[in-house]
Amino acid sequence: DTGVSQNPRHKITKRGQNVTFRCDPISEHNRLYWYRQTLGQGPEFLTYFQNEAQLEKSRLLSDRFSAERPKGSFSTLEIQRTEQGDSAMYLCASSSFSDSPLHFGNGTRLTVT
Amino acid sequence: QQQVKQSPQSLIVQKGGISIINCAYENTAFDYFPWYQQFPGKGPALLIAIRPDVSEKKEGRFTISFNKSAKQFSLHIMDSQPGDSATYFCAAKWGAQKLVFGQGTRLTINP
Repeated sequence: DTGVSQNPRHKITKRGQNVTFRCDPISEHNRLYWYRQTLGQGPEFLTYFQNEAQLEKSRLLSDRFSAERPKGSFSTLEIQRTEQGDSAMYLCASSSFSDSPLHFGNGTRLTVT
Repeated sequence: QQQVKQSPQSLIVQKGGISIINCAYENTAFDYFPWYQQFPGKGPALLIAIRPDVSEKKEGRFTISFNKSAKQFSLHIMDSQPGDSATYFCAAKWGAQKLVFGQGTRLTINP
């Protein structure tokens, strides 16, 4: 069990650019989640996958955000035309199919200048 | 309805003391209540969790007390240590493992 891995750890981008983050879940975990955490706040749910199927998306996930999980393994989160309000920590978590706890990665901190 | 309210925002406790963090919720559909610990630059890590059919759960120095009728739950850290200094989040789950988090409590344990 190597834990949930996220890359990159930090990303600085200029407003209007596109960015993509990657998450590698714990290998036997079927469910994968994306959360966003702004400074001084708790994480907020964005979306989740069961295997390769994206089953739910939060209203926080605007049209500029897209997430994929090809083949039910790693996942990517892309933000198009970034805005300063997108600056946050993007957290990925995974869990097994059964009703088990979420294991979080250490996140990708995005700064939009 | 989907909120969890956490207090206090920050807490300072002397080494060896008891740290107490409180959370309240409205949605009776929540069926799982975990607490997460987060250190700077790290993701949240599960500390302890409880289901609403249990009033108390203890794991080492950490205890969750759950009051279903009041829709409140709390984390107690006994014999608090400087290494416990971190931000703590309560959370509640509904549906397929979707968690809603409280606003967090920054805990500082003074040596």
